[in-house]
Amino acid sequence: NAGVMQNPRHLVRRRGQEARLRCSPMKGHSHVYWYRQLPEEGLKFMVYLQKENIIDESGMPKERFSAEFPKEGPSILRIQQVVRGDSAAYFCASSRTEDYEQYFGPGTRLTVT
Amino acid sequence: AQRVTQPEKLLSVFKGAPVELKCNYSYSGSPELFWYVQYSRQRLQLLLRHISRESIKGFTADLNKGETSFHLKKPFAQEEDSAMYYCALEFYGGATNKLIFGTGTLLAVQP
Repeated sequence: NAGVMQNPRHLVRRRGQEARLRCSPMKGHSHVYWYRQLPEEGLKFMVYLQKENIIDESGMPKERFSAEFPKEGPSILRIQQVVRGDSAAYFCASSRTEDYEQYFGPGTRLTVT
Repeated sequence: AQRVTQPEKLLSVFKGAPVELKCNYSYSGSPELFWYVQYSRQRLQLLLRHISRESIKGFTADLNKGETSFHLKKPFAQEEDSAMYYCALEFYGGATNKLIFGTGTLLAVQP
């Protein structure tokens, strides 16, 4: 089991472009969580998804951010029209069920220039 | 509001010395607390959780509800303990349980 995979590991975007971050959960895991870590801060919950459903997006900024977890393929965190303040590390975690341990991916470091 | 505070950004100790990484939390309900560790070039992984009351790699953490603390301790530090340590609080909000993390403490164990 390769663990939670995230790609790309590093992503550079100019202001106004779109960023797409991918997360493949561990085999057998159907629950995905996204977290953001701004510089000098701890990880902050963004969104929790199950296959084809957004369960809790209370931590997502109201605009420009969206997430999906389709029936087939990885979970995608999409940031439209990126701004410098979006520069951060974005971590994905997966779990077998809601109450089980979350396993983290290596993160994607987004830099907006 | 829920909050986790780790007051030290960096803790440097010598090999064999005791270690205490501080964590304080703010939560009105019954907390579930965790310590996560991130070794160099590796991903974040769960070290221990308070409900299991385990000792992992010699580390222990006791929940003190009176002081709202969950400090991580080890009596004798090893060089391989050098890593970033995050304290996390699990709480139920909205539709699910969520983890909220502290800012982390970098533990550097000197030979």
